Amino acid sequence: NAGVTQTPKFQVLKTGQSMTLQCAQDMNHNSMYWYRQDPGMGLRLIYYSASEGTTDKGEVPNGYNVSRLNKREFSLRLESAAPSQTSVYFCASSGRQGALGYTFGSGTRLTVV
Amino acid sequence: GQQLNQSPQSMFIQEGEDVSMNCTSSSIFNTWLWYKQEPGEGPVLLIALYKAGELTSNGRLTAQFGITRKDSFLNISASIPSDVGIYFCAGLNYGGSQGNLIFGKGTKLSVKP
Repeated sequence: NAGVTQTPKFQVLKTGQSMTLQCAQDMNHNSMYWYRQDPGMGLRLIYYSASEGTTDKGEVPNGYNVSRLNKREFSLRLESAAPSQTSVYFCASSGRQGALGYTFGSGTRLTVV
Repeated sequence: GQQLNQSPQSMFIQEGEDVSMNCTSSSIFNTWLWYKQEPGEGPVLLIALYKAGELTSNGRLTAQFGITRKDSFLNISASIPSDVGIYFCAGLNYGGSQGNLIFGKGTKLSVKP
């Protein structure tokens, strides 16, 4: 099925470990996004990439880095995980500057202990 | 930054009842979107609204783009158990920089059979 694929679905990290969350879309969308979702906080934008080769900070970028590897793939890296980064992470993509809405992946549930 | 106030935060209703939820903002938007998130999944787009005053239906769901462009409403008629989930409103101003989809904090809907 066409859409946004995220890996892994679940991950447990120890404080200080690093990891990369992977995201790929097959809808030929120009723009891609990383959100985190915490209880009662809704969806908060971490980083986004308006087009291949560009990335920009969102609302909560501290502690994260991103790479837009090509048009299909947008990865999120935690260099030194902290318990405050325990969350559910969603990748999304959009075309036409988002006018038709964003398509979301099914999420990565990350726990940092 | 821009914020959306979504209410109510949660609802517990009986199967067959109608449901109303709304979003308000201090800023105007070009587009209002409504998403539903089921447990363990990413948000899925339900309805998109593009014009002030627009009323759009998707099955038992009806959403309206407020005339002031600062609010939107979602109604669900004759609720059923599979309506359970978190409903998010989102406002979008496209035409400028990306990353402008602003989410409300969600309305958690529980339906008792």
